[in-house]
Amino acid sequence: QSVLTQSPSASGTPGQRVTISCSGSSSNIENNYVYWYQQLPGTAPKLLIYKNNQRPSGVPDRFSGSKSGTSASLAISGLRSEDEADYYCAAWHDSLSGPYVMFGGGTKVTIL
Amino acid sequence: QVRLVESGGGVVQPGESLRLSCAASGFVFSDYGMHWVRQAPGKGLDWVAFIRYDGDSQYYGDSVRGRFTISRDSSRTTVYLHMHSLRPEDTAIYFCAKEHANGELLDFWGQGTLVTVSS
Repeated sequence: QSVLTQSPSASGTPGQRVTISCSGSSSNIENNYVYWYQQLPGTAPKLLIYKNNQRPSGVPDRFSGSKSGTSASLAISGLRSEDEADYYCAAWHDSLSGPYVMFGGGTKVTIL
Repeated sequence: QVRLVESGGGVVQPGESLRLSCAASGFVFSDYGMHWVRQAPGKGLDWVAFIRYDGDSQYYGDSVRGRFTISRDSSRTTVYLHMHSLRPEDTAIYFCAKEHANGELLDFWGQGTLVTVSS
């Protein structure tokens, strides 16, 4: 099964805004919710955004999600050094053989 | 608070079997579906399997369907991943995670257990 398409890297200086995109299809992103996860080096992934644009409690409002058609985006504003991590999008994918979860390939965010 | 603790990983030879466990606490286990996700060294996340909150439905990724089975025991608040016919490409850290709400995706993840398939 293929993955959702993310650019492999993004970077910015402290205080800047970075946007990560996630591209899919009508079988996943367009008709299902998008979720975003942050994975710091050597740790388990952490939920950042659920149901396209909702933040769990404890996630700073510097992180925001959006969706339009078959694409979704995660924006990080006011970049901080602790935001250096890998970011993954995910969505249910509907198929005739049964649904499955599709992850993006991941975007590594580097703080310059 | 929510706690997920995976165990059962180790080194096995190709073709062998292994059973992973994920002990859950801090939430009403029988209300939530559970996922297994894996991550090969230096690679991205690869979804493996999901079991519904009541155990009535299971879904699998293409790369493991027919070889892996997900199950759950509500009396032990534990979810399992039974892995058979293991291949070197199954080498990865295996994470279990709970769903955020019925029908939604993963929220809380465990720390993972490493499975190495090598001769």
